[in-house]
Amino acid sequence: DQQVKQNSPSLSVQEGRISILNCDYTNSMFDYFLWYKKYPAEGPTFLISISSIKDKNEDGRFTVFLNKSAKHLSLHIVPSQPGDSAVYFCAASGGASNTGKLIFGQGTTLQVKP
Amino acid sequence: GAGVSQSPRYKVAKRGQDVALRCDPISGHVSLFWYQQALGQGPEFLTYFQNEAQLDKSGLPSDRFFAERPEGSVSTLKIQRTQQEDSAVYLCASSPGRRSNYGYTFGSGTRLTVV
Repeated sequence: DQQVKQNSPSLSVQEGRISILNCDYTNSMFDYFLWYKKYPAEGPTFLISISSIKDKNEDGRFTVFLNKSAKHLSLHIVPSQPGDSAVYFCAASGGASNTGKLIFGQGTTLQVKP
Repeated sequence: GAGVSQSPRYKVAKRGQDVALRCDPISGHVSLFWYQQALGQGPEFLTYFQNEAQLDKSGLPSDRFFAERPEGSVSTLKIQRTQQEDSAVYLCASSPGRRSNYGYTFGSGTRLTVV
């Protein structure tokens, strides 16, 4: 039972354009959502998060949007840069467990072309 | 240390061999997590420690998997009688508090290959 899904395995965009990465979840009890970025041979790096009481959080070039009714969140990167090329994971916490464990999606590989 | 350190970075084990994977979290971090990441998948939760107490081990796939954090700092994930399906990257993460909504700091992982 995949509680967090990233249905696009890969995305390719041109440098300077917007990248939009999508994530869907099934558990309405999740109360915190996070995006991680991962380069090869490195661990995931925290990027940005959003609480379920908000619908938008912005940090520089990165904005996360949350649509609770649709159980959908998205990460917008504007403008995209070649250094943004990496695997992006969305993750959720909350639900039945309050230990803070994260449920991850499968990841989306972003390629930003110069 | 400055980050979460995991060792070894790579481990090749023969099927049936026991392995031990080490995690040095950021000094003072209360929470410590272990995740398993199979090729092409996202990390999957294995177990959680708050200081030395193992509060959640619901993600451990079988009784061949065992984790400990005896002094509330360094943690070891042990896999007994390794099987090919255990091949994965094992990630450790730590955070300052009981539950961090600001993300966790992950180590670079240990890539385990069972042959």
